[in-house]
Amino acid sequence: DSGVTQTPKHLITATGQRVTLRCSPRSGDLSVYWYQQSLDQGLQFLIQYYNGEERAKGNILERFSAQQFPDLHSELNLSSLELGDSALYFCASSVALGPLEAFFGQGTRLTVV
Amino acid sequence: KNQVEQSPQSLIILEGKNCTLQCNYTVSPFSNLRWYKQDTGRGPVSLTIMTFSENTKSNGRYTATLDADTKQSSLHITASQLSDSASYICVVSVGGVSQGNLIFGKGTKLSVKP
Repeated sequence: DSGVTQTPKHLITATGQRVTLRCSPRSGDLSVYWYQQSLDQGLQFLIQYYNGEERAKGNILERFSAQQFPDLHSELNLSSLELGDSALYFCASSVALGPLEAFFGQGTRLTVV
Repeated sequence: KNQVEQSPQSLIILEGKNCTLQCNYTVSPFSNLRWYKQDTGRGPVSLTIMTFSENTKSNGRYTATLDADTKQSSLHITASQLSDSASYICVVSVGGVSQGNLIFGKGTKLSVKP
């Protein structure tokens, strides 16, 4: 158990809908990162937050947004969902700003039908 | 373009055998290289992290090597076990402090058969 908690584990929704994925980092970790892993693809970095502030952005679509709250949990919001958004979404956390060690959650499997 | 390529894509071996997975990267500037193990449907778990000056690092039956000159890394698994069945992902960190600078390979899917 990495100590990073993601909910829900599975999500099935229809095209055009909006969903929110939640991540609770390990106790004491200030950085949260979101990744997307499509079928047979490598993990793609979406966005990073550190202590409540956005620090880095990857290939995140405009339909997607995220935030980190004062208690350090983070939410990834996906809107106007398309079939191609079906993927595993992982959250990772680390204690520092840099990537020296990051611990991944178990992921949320999103299926858009 | 920063890229990480892994080979083979998939591999089947018998329990107890050894195997070696390859990773080639074109990432600049290089910061460090990690190997992760990812069980199906689960989050990746770090096996090793190597910086530019390290050329070998072990974690139990896993031994990673790094040749920064040729930009190649390998992960050697000794005396494989059924629980080694997973995807093994090579990840290279671009120089910088942001996690966003991690370049992921697509992984090698290893199946260990009894």
